[in-house]
Amino acid sequence: AQTVTQSQPEMSVQEAETVTLSCTYDTSESDYYLFWYKQPPSRQMILVIRQEAYKQQNATENRFSVNFQKAAKSFSLKISDSQLGDAAMYFCAYRSVSYAGNMLTFGGGTRLMVKP
Amino acid sequence: GAGVSQSPSNKVTEKGKDVELRCDPISGHTALYWYRQSLGQGLEFLIYFQGNSAPDKSGLPSDRFSAERTGGSVSTLTIQRTQQEDSAVYLCASSSQGRDLSSPLHFGNGTRLTVT
Repeated sequence: AQTVTQSQPEMSVQEAETVTLSCTYDTSESDYYLFWYKQPPSRQMILVIRQEAYKQQNATENRFSVNFQKAAKSFSLKISDSQLGDAAMYFCAYRSVSYAGNMLTFGGGTRLMVKP
Repeated sequence: GAGVSQSPSNKVTEKGKDVELRCDPISGHTALYWYRQSLGQGLEFLIYFQGNSAPDKSGLPSDRFSAERTGGSVSTLTIQRTQQEDSAVYLCASSSQGRDLSSPLHFGNGTRLTVT
């Protein structure tokens, strides 16, 4: 079974600065998908960015980018020019390509605080 | 269009009572997932429905938990003889094209269940 680990329970960043959230995972598969989700106090999970394991190029979405290191099984999220609205819980998630593993396996989350 | 809708938003019940949680997925989405999120924790997979296939129930924590999906649309998660440890937020998600594993999950706002 795959596991996803987020080693930082809480992170803090000054508004307009850059912060990196860490995520590592354990798998024996060579192909899979990785996701970062944001959960604000409203509870709704919002997709931030996704990465396909067979693509070497790191995914980017505006101020959000990832550093995908397949050999190290690492998938960190970088938020540039942090904004107050970025404050939320962030979850890293893994998705297997096998039918049995279609669900997303989530890490424990990182709470991001943004200081004005 | 409308997103994933869950009801009720909050539910308080007495220990030993049965509860039903409802999820209306996005129209046309063939895949539907239930997750449980305990306070300050990550998401724990419960059950997954894909089209007319048999559901993946591998995440259900006990036989007190069951779920069904009628007509390939609305889903109901039932917890019988609730216990205090069942207190959590129950999140439902749906996605289109279940075989397209890059397709993200769209989450509802969840039902916060409190067992007293």
